[in-house]
Amino acid sequence: QVRIQESGPGLVKPSETLSLTCTVSGASVSDHWWSWIRQTPGKGLEWIAYIFYTGITHYNPSLRSRVTISVDTSKNQVSLSLTSVTAADAAVYYCARHFIESGGGGYSYWFDPWGQGTQVTVSS
Amino acid sequence: QSALTQPPSASGSPGQSVTISCTGTSSDYVSWYQQHPGKAPKLMIYEVNKRPSGVPYRFSGSKSGNTASMTVSGLLAEDEADYYCTSYAGHTDWVVFGGGTKLTVL
Repeated sequence: QVRIQESGPGLVKPSETLSLTCTVSGASVSDHWWSWIRQTPGKGLEWIAYIFYTGITHYNPSLRSRVTISVDTSKNQVSLSLTSVTAADAAVYYCARHFIESGGGGYSYWFDPWGQGTQVTVSS
Repeated sequence: QSALTQPPSASGSPGQSVTISCTGTSSDYVSWYQQHPGKAPKLMIYEVNKRPSGVPYRFSGSKSGNTASMTVSGLLAEDEADYYCTSYAGHTDWVVFGGGTKLTVL
């Protein structure tokens, strides 16, 4: 059974960099794609970025200039860095295994499982 | 691609069926997630109409044109939750989510 556990500082000051870690058990990070997704009361679910261990990455265009996603295969972890945070970045951040299949109708994406999420507050 | 459009709310009585729509997907494939308060989203439907192991048969999916739908049959109190759809959004936006639908079991 795949288990995902996010961890982070909880509280970040405005303009600082948020660093989050996703620790995976029950699967190798090298065998799958991985995504970070966040959720705010006002904006619902927002996909941030996804990665394959070879270094292939894709980012949400609205966040691309501030986000870096990475994989540490030795620790079986996926990390996220978000620079210059503002109050708008306060959210619950989730890590999820990301499935990508190519079919006759294009690409199929789904996320399973998700971690429990980590709450991030932005305040001085 | 803009966010997928879902109705903000839906409701039904126990035993009834409820269908939640998700409009605006340019992809043929949609996945659906259930989220109870304070919990992480859980995959319920993928590739339009496939159910992961452990998801009850009561949950089903379909798609017509640019609108996908998820139907919950034989509503149970435990089905009361928020439901989100998502799909591939092209080689620029990559992933798009719906705004979510709050399902109330009356």
